[in-house]
Amino acid sequence: GEDVEQSLFLSVREGDSSVINCTYTDSSSTYLYWYKQEPGAGLQLLTYIFSNMDMKQDQRLTVLLNKKDKHLSLRIADTQTGDSAIYFCAGGSDSWGKLQFGAGTQVVVTP
Amino acid sequence: NAGVTQTPKFQVLKTGQSMTLQCAQDMNHNSMYWYRQDPGMGLRLIYYSASEGTTDKGEVPNGYNVSRLNKREFSLRLESAAPSQTSVYFCATNSRTGGTGELFFGEGSRLTVL
Repeated sequence: GEDVEQSLFLSVREGDSSVINCTYTDSSSTYLYWYKQEPGAGLQLLTYIFSNMDMKQDQRLTVLLNKKDKHLSLRIADTQTGDSAIYFCAGGSDSWGKLQFGAGTQVVVTP
Repeated sequence: NAGVTQTPKFQVLKTGQSMTLQCAQDMNHNSMYWYRQDPGMGLRLIYYSASEGTTDKGEVPNGYNVSRLNKREFSLRLESAAPSQTSVYFCATNSRTGGTGELFFGEGSRLTVL
């Protein structure tokens, strides 16, 4: 199965860019995902990238995928206080929904 | 449009008590999942149901049972709760037919076992 690792904490100043990194072991994942969890809430899909892509940009979000190094990153431009949350990367190799999640990166945005 | 609804949102149990977490979805999805979330460990899959009438074990099934009552509902039962089952439980669904495989989550059920 998939093992997914990510750093546990990131502090960033408002207006700066945030970069959250993730490494995974299984290269057969069709899609790789970034989920956002706000306090007391469930997870919501933030963005995803198809495994045959290297980069995907969606407004303030940029996802980079390095398949050779099995490295996934999420960049948030112009980070706002509303971006404070836990961010999970996830991938799945055997079937939809049986995703393997990282431990989550707590992002704290300071004024 | 409620999406994925979990009940109860909070529960405190004593060791050895039993309870059932309920999950209902109005998204007409075939597949439903139960995950648990523990600090520093991310989400781990407990059980899943690929379609109505089927259930399968996930990564951490011990101490749990599930029932896929119909297409909409998927319940998780703790027969004899243990402190190690203190966690936040999430139900999720997806369609598994085309699309990106995105999971849609409920808001979670916070369980404390004393």
